[in-house]
Order: sequence, then structure tokens, then C-alpha cells
Amino acid sequence: DIQMTQSPSSLSASVGDRVTITCRASQGISSWLAWYQQKPEKAPKSLIYAASSLQSGVPSRFSGSGSGTDFTLTISSLQPEDFATYYCQQYNSYPFTFGGGTKVEIK
Amino acid sequence: QVQLVESGGGVVQPGRSLRLSCAASGFTFSSYGMHWVRQAPGKGLEWVAVISYDGSNKYYADSVKGRFTISRDNSKNTLYLQMNSLRAEDTAVYYCAKDQETAAGTGPCGYWGQGTLVTVSS
Repeated sequence: DIQMTQSPSSLSASVGDRVTITCRASQGISSWLAWYQQKPEKAPKSLIYAASSLQSGVPSRFSGSGSGTDFTLTISSLQPEDFATYYCQQYNSYPFTFGGGTKVEIK
Repeated sequence: QVQLVESGGGVVQPGRSLRLSCAASGFTFSSYGMHWVRQAPGKGLEWVAVISYDGSNKYYADSVKGRFTISRDNSKNTLYLQMNSLRAEDTAVYYCAKDQETAAGTGPCGYWGQGTLVTVSS
């Protein structure tokens, strides 16, 4: 199975900050990577797929990059509604696997 | 708009069975692969299973293989997860999700339901 490792596991940031979350795959997955946002007690929401394609309706301050084994999710200017937990997921091969999550908290 | 509504969760004893349902609307259900994903209390997301648009292909996480069965009824726009031989570690919120764009179920989860809680306890 492909292991997905996210870092950091948590971070504190202020409104307006630029935030970067990384995700590393244990083997190459081309660009078959998605990012999700989850707020407390809510279902996850798709943000990005194919490593860098923005889901419809997602603000442009979110962006994704990378290919192969190393990927990043960037929030260019953190907004109050962005405080949440973020997960990466590979869909290169079954079983699809998620990273452990990155919790973004208010500084 | 895409709507996915899970049902069937509850409290069940270890070793017993439970069937979850996911009613879909707002898209052509029979054209998309569908996923189940779960989340244990206070933990991260775990992908469980996927089924292709016509039910011909199914894949499972190792943790549920041989115990869980994913299926679908395209005439009812409904996805199912039959869970047998349940264990305490199966306790989680179970989400159904529509594949982003593929019929085969080889894509990520584009839209998610609100989830249904399954508690396995004696």
C-alpha cells in the first residue's frame, strides 16, 4: 500500500498568513493526488484534485502543486473560515490512502 | 446539486451485521463510481471501498476485505455497504462519496454525504 505522510501535523497561523502544507507519498503517484478540508463535526470537502486542479467553487487562494512523491497545498492568505483540518489522498492505486491530516489553528 | 444522504448507522454488538445506505440525487448516479470512507472518533480519514458505475468492479481496504461488501442499485439511485463480523475498531462515521469524474471509480471523492455513525459495542 502507498503511505501518505503529511507535515506538519498541526500549525498555528494568523489571518492573512501564507500557509503551506506538504504531503509525501511512499512511492511515485504521478499527479493522482487530492486535497480535502474538514471542519469540526462536518463532512470533508474536496478542494483540489489531480494535484493542482481547483474544485469548482473553491476560492483561488487555495492552490496545489507537485508530482511524483512530493506535493504541497498552499493557502495564499489565510481567512477565518480556513481554520480546519486538511487531508491529502492518493488515488494512483488501490487501496486509496489518506495522509494523517494537518490541523490549522488560529494563532 | 449533488446530494448524498447516508442512513442505517447505529449501535451494534461485536460480531453482528449492519447495512448502510446512501441515497443519491442531483446527478446521474449510474454514470459514476462511488466510494465509502470512514472516520473513527477523533481520528483521520480511512478509505473503505469503491464500486464502479455498473457494479462490475469493487475494491476494498485490507482492514475490511472479506467482511464488508459494497453494492449499488442504479434503479434506486442508492449505494450500500453491508458490514458483517463487526469489530470495535469499525466504530466510525461512515461517509459515502461520489467519484470526482470517473465511471470506473478510479478518481478522488468529489462530493461527500454528511455521514452516519456506526458504534460497535457490547
